[in-house]
Amino acid sequence: DTAVSQTPKYLVTQMGNDKSIKCEQNLGHDTMYWYKQDSKKFLKIMFSYNNKELIINETVPNRFSPKSPDKAHLNLHINSLELGDSAVYFCASSQPGYTTMGEKLFFGSGTQLSVL
Amino acid sequence: GQQLNQSPQSMFIQEGEDVSMNCTSSSIFNTWLWYKQDPGEGPVLLIALYKAGELTSNGRLTAQFGITRKDSFLNISASIPSDVGIYFCAGQLKGAQKLVFGQGTRLTINP
Repeated sequence: DTAVSQTPKYLVTQMGNDKSIKCEQNLGHDTMYWYKQDSKKFLKIMFSYNNKELIINETVPNRFSPKSPDKAHLNLHINSLELGDSAVYFCASSQPGYTTMGEKLFFGSGTQLSVL
Repeated sequence: GQQLNQSPQSMFIQEGEDVSMNCTSSSIFNTWLWYKQDPGEGPVLLIALYKAGELTSNGRLTAQFGITRKDSFLNISASIPSDVGIYFCAGQLKGAQKLVFGQGTRLTINP
């Protein structure tokens, strides 16, 4: 059983188009995330939702709009795609514990977005 | 934003060699995590550390939470071909809601 699944795996599109990436987790976690990994493999958080509520928004352009219909799903919609949006986007989930325990992230396998 | 300095950026070793990599920060972290990313996949958690000085093993992997709480180390003993990949450290500041990731260490193994 796949814990965190995201679709599509690959997404090739033209500049200016609108596209969506879907993510689902069957771990029963309360918190879900979107991360962006650039060509240098640097992982940067974009958004975090806890039980459908937005809790982290890391100065991402408002062309990116996450939507969480329920706590098991977190989709990412991107409007007016630009060349610089090309990257691998990872969905992740976690079950926050006590403050001192930290959070263990479970990642999906990524969506490689190529904007031409 | 908060930065973690991970080194080395890349390593080229022979199969069977031991590997060491580390992460440092100017800030104090409550949690240190080590992840491995295989090509075309998402990072997978290897080891989680929660206390200063803590030493934890997972098979051939051993990680330590630095005593100053500003660094962490990962060692891999007797490397094998499937150890190839990118290793990321990640830390969580006290009270923070997010993890901060290092830049990654790319491990290549020559058979």
